[in-house]
Amino acid sequence: NAGVTQTPKFQVLKTGQSMTLQCAQDMNHNSMYWYRQDPGMGLRLIYYSASEGTTDKGEVPNGYNVSRLNKREFSLRLESAAPSQTSVYFCASSDRQGPSYEQYFGPGTRLTVT
Amino acid sequence: QKEVEQNSGPLSVPEGAIASLNCTYSDRGSQSFFWYRQYSGKSPELIMSIYSNGDKEDGRFTAQLNKASQYVSLLIRDSQPSDSATYLCAAFQGAQKLVFGQGTRLTINP
Repeated sequence: NAGVTQTPKFQVLKTGQSMTLQCAQDMNHNSMYWYRQDPGMGLRLIYYSASEGTTDKGEVPNGYNVSRLNKREFSLRLESAAPSQTSVYFCASSDRQGPSYEQYFGPGTRLTVT
Repeated sequence: QKEVEQNSGPLSVPEGAIASLNCTYSDRGSQSFFWYRQYSGKSPELIMSIYSNGDKEDGRFTAQLNKASQYVSLLIRDSQPSDSATYLCAAFQGAQKLVFGQGTRLTINP
């Protein structure tokens, strides 16, 4: 099993350009998440999808859109990139484990917006 | 106030000693807690989860939870240089979401 995979690994965009970050999981998990990680800020939730067909905003959704394409895939779109969106983006997936949901992370996408 | 607080460190510990990492949380409704290890340039890796008050041991790692004090800790016994990483504490908030602390950077000195 590959677990959670993300593409691309690295990306450089100019301000105003758009792009889509792709995420797929092969663990048959119901829930998927997009986070960004900035120095000193920890992991912040952008959007999540509790199950196929649903998406909800997290802590920092502005400037992003998501699509839960099917149970395996959850994409994150930047419509008009801004330098403030320079960050490392992680996708995660989870399913119920006992009383809670353990999340497993993909390898990340390093995005630079100039 | 951030919902999950950690001392950002760096925390330096000699090889072979016990490393103690601490975390406090503000939401009394949180029931489940997790420790992730993140090496520089890599993604977070789940190393421990704890749901009940008390201690949970897994190899060299022990997680401790005190819900009355809203306090979670991670002990690493016989610390090795390979344990040098940032350790993230997370609390399960319901709606299938985790809230993460900022992380504590741990350095094990040979």
